[in-house]
Amino acid sequence: QVQLVESGGGVVQPGGSLRLSCAATGFTFSNYFMHWVRQAPGTGPEWVAVIWHDGSKDSYADSVKGRFTISRDNSKNTVHLQLNSLRAEDTAVYYCAKTLLPTGGGEVFDVWGQGTMVTVSS
Amino acid sequence: ETVLTQSPATLSLSPGERATLSCRASQSVSGYLAWYQQKPGQAPRLLIYDASNRATGIPARFSGSGSGTDFTLTISSLEPEDFAVYYCQQRQNWPPLTFGGGTRVEIK
Repeated sequence: QVQLVESGGGVVQPGGSLRLSCAATGFTFSNYFMHWVRQAPGTGPEWVAVIWHDGSKDSYADSVKGRFTISRDNSKNTVHLQLNSLRAEDTAVYYCAKTLLPTGGGEVFDVWGQGTMVTVSS
Repeated sequence: ETVLTQSPATLSLSPGERATLSCRASQSVSGYLAWYQQKPGQAPRLLIYDASNRATGIPARFSGSGSGTDFTLTISSLEPEDFAVYYCQQRQNWPPLTFGGGTRVEIK
């Protein structure tokens, strides 16, 4: 069964840091680009970041560029998102998501995790 | 950045009725548009990709059409479990991947 399980969310003060993790099972993880998507309360999803299947490249939304870092460990089937210099507007549920097709064949998301809540508040 | 505008914001319908949801892109996305369904407390669920291809396990009452800048998601006959929020997403012009603001389909 294909599954993604996120962890690492919590409450953090503005300017603080968190590291989110996503554990993948049920598919050949090293063949797929992996993405993080977030959703603030009452709003639509917002794409955050992607990492290539082999970890050779990544890309970020302008709203998080320079503050967030995506990484992956294909030996452990995990993807991470390091969140630094957090702001109130980063408050959201953060999802990791698997693409429908392997190796960059199509950036739509057929499997999502359950999400992990990040709250940035003093 | 390609902006996706969904309309209407809310659609009030009864079970058995037909639902027609619209997604308009600020620039052409060719046929690279997807639709998702989201229920409260759940992650989005992929319904349609590349404008008209149903994802695995999606019932035939869901269909998608369109190309370029104008797209439509049609639910031919609403079932009770279809009342939810629907989002479109483009993958033609990325990064960034972008989503629409959503259409809520509610029970009339």
